[in-house]
Amino acid sequence: DAKTTQPNSMESNEEEPVHLPCNHSTISGTDYIHWYRQLPSQGPEYVIHGLTSNVNNRMASLAIAEDRKSSTLILHRATLRDAAVYYCIPIGGTSYGKLTFGQGTILTVHP
Amino acid sequence: DGGITQSPKYLFRKEGQNVTLSCEQNLNHDAMYWYRQDPGQGLRLIYYSQIVNDFQKGDIAEGYSVSREKKESFPLTVTSAQKNPTAFYLCASSIQPGQGKTEAFFGQGTRLTVV
Repeated sequence: DAKTTQPNSMESNEEEPVHLPCNHSTISGTDYIHWYRQLPSQGPEYVIHGLTSNVNNRMASLAIAEDRKSSTLILHRATLRDAAVYYCIPIGGTSYGKLTFGQGTILTVHP
Repeated sequence: DGGITQSPKYLFRKEGQNVTLSCEQNLNHDAMYWYRQDPGQGLRLIYYSQIVNDFQKGDIAEGYSVSREKKESFPLTVTSAQKNPTAFYLCASSIQPGQGKTEAFFGQGTRLTVV
C-alpha cells in the first residue's frame, strides 16, 4: 500500500480557506488520490478524488503536485460543519483491492 | 434511495456470545469492506471482498468472520475469540475493488458494546 503522511491536526476560522496537505511519496502511476472526511459518530463520506490534474467539485478542490508525491485538499470557505477528520488515500495499483485509512487530520473550525 | 444500510445502529451483547452485524447495499457494487474504529483512532480494515463468494483478511481479522453469498450483503460476525469487541464498526462498498476511478460509500456504522 502507498503510505501517506498527514498532519495530526489543523485549525481554521469560519469562512476562511483551509489547505489540508498529504504526502504520498510511494504512490504508483495508476493510483488515484481520494479524500474522505468523517464527522463525529458517522461513517466517512467522499469528498473528492483525482489522478493527475487538479479537480474541483461543490465541496472542495484538490491540488495534485506535478510529481504526484503530494496533494492538498482545499476548502475554500470553512464552515463549522467542515469540522471533521480528513483522510487522504491512494487507491489503485498499489492497494490490491484494499481500502486502507491512515490516521487523518483532525480539522477544528472556530466560529 | 441507493446506499449502504448497517443494522442495528446500537448493539449490546454479553461477553462470550457471537454477534452478527448486517451490511446491505443496493448500489450493485462488487467490492465491500468492514472496518473497526476505536475511540479517537482511525479506521482499521477487518475483511474485504472483491467479488461474491470470495473475501480476504484485512489488517485485524483475528476474532472475526465474514461471508459473501450475495452481491448486496456482507455480514460480519464478531466471535467470542475477539478479545476486545466493543467498538464502532463500519461497512463500505465500491464499484470495483482497488480501481480508484470511483468513490467508496460508507454506512452509518454499528456501535457494538459487549458487557
